[in-house]
Amino acid sequence: QSALTQPPSASGSPGQSVTISCTGTSSDVGNYNYVSWYQQHPGKAPKLIIYEVRKRPSGVPDRFSGSKSGNTASLTVSGLQAEDEADYYCSSYGGSNNLLFGGGTKLTVL
Amino acid sequence: QVQLVQSGSELKKPGASVKVSCKTSAYTFTHYAMNWVRQAPGQGLEWVGWINTNTGNPTYAQGFTGRFVLSLDTSVSTAYLQISSLEAEDTAVYYCARITAVAYAFDIWGQGTMVTVSS
Repeated sequence: QSALTQPPSASGSPGQSVTISCTGTSSDVGNYNYVSWYQQHPGKAPKLIIYEVRKRPSGVPDRFSGSKSGNTASLTVSGLQAEDEADYYCSSYGGSNNLLFGGGTKLTVL
Repeated sequence: QVQLVQSGSELKKPGASVKVSCKTSAYTFTHYAMNWVRQAPGQGLEWVGWINTNTGNPTYAQGFTGRFVLSLDTSVSTAYLQISSLEAEDTAVYYCARITAVAYAFDIWGQGTMVTVSS
C-alpha cells in the first residue's frame, strides 16, 4: 500500500487558520473513520492530536480540528500560535491489520 | 504515568544485528498492541508493523518483512524490535508506540532509539 499524500509545506500568520490535507484511497481513508493526526516538533517523538477523524485527546486545544470527505481527511489549526510550528503527519487504518502514514507537512508560522 | 522507555542509541556495522527494547509502565501491557515506526534522518514516519501483546502474533508492513522481527517479554512488559543484516538505509530513529484497539491511533510513544549503520 502507498503512503497517504500530504502537501510538503503549509504556512500562516499568527491568529490565522491553516488546513492540511491527507489524501488516500477508497481502501483506507475513504473506507474507515480511523484517521489520526500527529504533531512532531524537532527532535521529539510525535504526539497524537486527533483520532477517529475528529476526536481530540484530553489536553489538546480545541484549535485543532479534523474532518473527512471521501478519500481526503483534513486537519485545521485555528488561531495559529508560534508553538504550532511543527511537522504534522496523518495516519489511517488500511484494512488487513495495516496502517499507513502520510509523508508529513511542515507547518510554518510566519 | 503511562510510559514507554526505549533503549539507547546504537552504532552498528553493515551486516550486524541490533535489538531495540521498549519497556512499558503504568498500564496493563497485554491490553494494547505495540507498534514500531521508523523515521530516517530528515524524512517522514514509516510504519514498521505491530505485535499483538496477547498472542505475540506480529504483522509487518510491506518492505519490513524478513530482516525485521517483533517480539515480546510479557514478564517484564517489554517489546522488542530486532533488525538483522543491517544496511546503511536502516539508519533511522525507531519509535515504539502503543495503539488504541478501537481507534487505531498511536496514543503513547517512546522517546525513540537512534540506530546508525556505518562502517
